[in-house]
Amino acid sequence: QVQLQESGPGLVKPSQTLSLTCTVSGGSISSGSYYWSWIRQPAGKGLEWIGRIYTSGSTNYNPSLKSRVTISVDTSKNQFSLKLSSVTAADTAVYYCARAGTYYGDAEYFQHWGQGTLVTVSS
Amino acid sequence: DIQMTQSPFSLSASVGDRVIITCRASQSISSYLNWYQQKPGKAPKLLIYAASSLQSGVPSRFSGSGSGTLFTLTISSLQPEDFATYYCQQTYSTLPLTFGGGTKVEIK
Repeated sequence: QVQLQESGPGLVKPSQTLSLTCTVSGGSISSGSYYWSWIRQPAGKGLEWIGRIYTSGSTNYNPSLKSRVTISVDTSKNQFSLKLSSVTAADTAVYYCARAGTYYGDAEYFQHWGQGTLVTVSS
Repeated sequence: DIQMTQSPFSLSASVGDRVIITCRASQSISSYLNWYQQKPGKAPKLLIYAASSLQSGVPSRFSGSGSGTLFTLTISSLQPEDFATYYCQQTYSTLPLTFGGGTKVEIK
């Protein structure tokens, strides 16, 4: 059973870069055909998809965040990472990593989630 | 972006009640629709994918239906562990993937 675990600083100063890592266990991040995504949720609010990286290494980002987001993968450590630059208080949220399987060829469904990590942007 | 609108925003129901949650897409998404359940302090859990396919291990009292722009999640007989917030998510070809605003199911 695959498991995901987010890690990284819980507090980031405004204008700095938020960096999180998702460690995958119970399976290789480079095997199979999966999308590895980051999703966030401000307190008391809904879910926002940030972006994803495919097993092949290709990436897609939410256009609303695209200029500030980078998602990368380190297959040697079985991890993938999120970097979000120039953060403001609006980026304060619980950040989840997730693995998506597919149906109909390319439709994604998030079957496995990390527990989430709260990142607060404050000076 | 494809906008997903859920209704109601919240509802109060009793154990044993039949509960129906609606999700409407701003354009047709065929059956590219998933449903999740989220409890406080926890990650979302997949319930339904492809509009009506039950995820393995999810109780059969959960069911999904719809296609195009209108979808429903039905809980046939609400159980104590079902009190949570429910989200729909579209996965049509156009990125970004988007979620509905959520429906909170509370105890009456």
